[in-house]
Amino acid sequence: NAGVTQTPKFRILKIGQSMTLQCTQDMNHNYMYWYRQDPGMGLKLIYYSVGAGITDKGEVPNGYNVSRSTTEDFPLRLELAAPSQTSVYFCASTSLGGELFFGEGSRLTVL
Amino acid sequence: GENVEQHPSTLSVQEGDSAVIKCTYSDSASNYFPWYKQELGKRPQLIIDIRSNVGEKKDQRIAVTLNKTAKHFSLHITETQPEDSAVYFCAATGSGTYKYIFGTGTRLKVLA
Repeated sequence: NAGVTQTPKFRILKIGQSMTLQCTQDMNHNYMYWYRQDPGMGLKLIYYSVGAGITDKGEVPNGYNVSRSTTEDFPLRLELAAPSQTSVYFCASTSLGGELFFGEGSRLTVL
Repeated sequence: GENVEQHPSTLSVQEGDSAVIKCTYSDSASNYFPWYKQELGKRPQLIIDIRSNVGEKKDQRIAVTLNKTAKHFSLHITETQPEDSAVYFCAATGSGTYKYIFGTGTRLKVLA
């Protein structure tokens, strides 16, 4: 099993550009999450999903959108990128109420 | 919603000493409390977890205690080693919500 796979690992965006961070998991987990981690800071929940077709906001959803059309995939869309969105983004998944498995992270810089 | 506070933000200990990190949660419905270790440039990884029906859990040099009445839980690391140096995060998740909310992290430095 590959676990949780995120792409790209690194990306530089210009202010106002848009992009999608991809996340896929092969563990058949229903629950998937997107977190952002600013330098030297903790993990803030952006969006999460409890199953295909179901998504909900976390602590810091503004400026982001998600979709969950399949169990495996949970892409995160950034519209109109701003410098405040410079961060490391982690995707994670879990089965019912258990350990969160994280991807390796995607480092995004907005200039 | 759930809020998790974590203290201290930084902790330095001598090799061989013990380290204790404390977290407080706000949602009394929370029932799962994991601890994650994150090394520099790496992803967070689970080191130990505890559920609300248990007061204490131990795994070799690591232990977690839970006080549901006070809504706080703690990570205890004994006989610390240099490789324990990392950032540690606590988290809490509530019954029926599955929102994993993390504390702000503790940077542990073990001095040789």
